[in-house]
Amino acid sequence: EADIYQTPRYLVIGTGKKITLECSQTMGHDKMYWYQQDPGMELHLIHYSYGVNSTEKGDLSSESTVSRIRTEHFPLTLESARPSHTSQYLCASRSGDTQYFGPGTRLTVL
Amino acid sequence: GQQVMQIPQYQHVQEGEDFTTYCNSSTTLSNIQWYKQRPGGHPVFLIQLVKSGEVKKQKRLTFQFGEAKKNSSLHITATQTTDVGTYFCAKKGFQKLVFGTGTRLLVSP
Repeated sequence: EADIYQTPRYLVIGTGKKITLECSQTMGHDKMYWYQQDPGMELHLIHYSYGVNSTEKGDLSSESTVSRIRTEHFPLTLESARPSHTSQYLCASRSGDTQYFGPGTRLTVL
Repeated sequence: GQQVMQIPQYQHVQEGEDFTTYCNSSTTLSNIQWYKQRPGGHPVFLIQLVKSGEVKKQKRLTFQFGEAKKNSSLHITATQTTDVGTYFCAKKGFQKLVFGTGTRLLVSP
C-alpha cells in the first residue's frame, strides 16, 4: 500500500489568510489527485496531475491552485481563505487502477 | 453526466441485519471498484471487479458486477458495528476515477 502524507491534519485560520496544504507520497506514483469532501458526503475532484509539471482542474470548480514540481509532492494553495472553503481536503495517488488516499486535512476558516 | 449513482443514500440497521448498496451507471463499465470510508477517516480500497457477472467475497462482504457491466452491488451479511462508514463505488474515467455518490451505513448495537 502507498504511503501518502498530508499536513497539517487540522487547520483553523481566519478569513483572508493564504494557506498551503501539503501532500507527499513515497511510491513514485505519477498520478495524484485532490478531493474536497464535506463530512459523510460525496468526493469532489478539484485538481489532478499526470506527472511533473502537469496539472489539471477537476470536476468541481475551486479557487485553489496546485503545483507539481516533484513527483512525490503535490501541494494545494488557497491565496485567500474564506469560510466557504471549510471542508476536508483529501489527497490521493494512483497505481494502476487503484487509488490510495492520504489521511486528509480538515480545514476550518473562521 | 459521468456521475455514478448509488442507492440508498443512507441506511441504518441493527447489528446482525444484512445490508446492500447498489451502484448504477448509464454506460458500460470497464471495471468497478469499491472503497470504504470510516467516520473521520479516508477512503480505503476494498476490491475491483472486471468481468461480467463477477462475484467476489471478502469474509462477510460480497461484491457483484452485473452481467451488462452497468451496475454493481456490495452486500454485507450480519452487519457489525465495525461496518459503520460510507461505501463508495468508483468507475474508471479518463485519467481519473469517478466516484459514486456513496451510501452511508449506520449500525446500532
